[in-house]
Amino acid sequence: DIQMTQSPSTLSASVGDRVTITCRASQTISDYLAWYQQKPGRAPKLLIYRASTLEGGVPSRFSGSGSGTEFTLSISSLQPDDFASYYCQQSKTYPYTFGQGTRLEI
Amino acid sequence: EVQVVESGGGLVQPGGSLRLSCAASGFSVDVNYMSWVRQAPGKGLEWVSLIYTGGSTFYADSVKGRFTISRDNPKNTLYLQMNSLRVEDTAVYYCARGIGYFDCWGQGVLVAVSS
Repeated sequence: DIQMTQSPSTLSASVGDRVTITCRASQTISDYLAWYQQKPGRAPKLLIYRASTLEGGVPSRFSGSGSGTEFTLSISSLQPDDFASYYCQQSKTYPYTFGQGTRLEI
Repeated sequence: EVQVVESGGGLVQPGGSLRLSCAASGFSVDVNYMSWVRQAPGKGLEWVSLIYTGGSTFYADSVKGRFTISRDNPKNTLYLQMNSLRVEDTAVYYCARGIGYFDCWGQGVLVAVSS
């Protein structure tokens, strides 16, 4: 199975900050990577797919980059609504696997 | 509006069975790839199973041989039959649409396996 490792596990930031979350794959996955946002008690929400394509309706302050084994999710100017957990997910091979998550907190 | 709604969760004893349902609206399950993803309490996300439009199915090793994904096209509903349940299957189970990435998720349904 492909292991996905996110860093950091927890990130403290303030409104207006620019933040970056990293996701590393244990083997190359090309650009078969998605990012999700999840708030407590809610379902995950797709933010980015194919490493850098923004899902419709997602604010442009979110961006993704990377290919191969290293990927990043950036938020250019944090808004209060952005404080949540974030997960990466690979779809290069089955089983699909997720990173352990990054909790973004104030 | 595109949405999915899960049902069928509950408390079950180890070794028991449960069938989850996922009713879709705004799209047809037979022309979309559909998955189940679960999340144990306080933990991360784990992909469980996927069904292709053509009917092929795929499973995580942790559930292979115990869980079965299926769909009823006229009812526009996805199912997950879960047998031989274990304590470690306790989780919120989400139904999700897509292959490669999941663009539509249900609200989730809790399955608790305990004696």
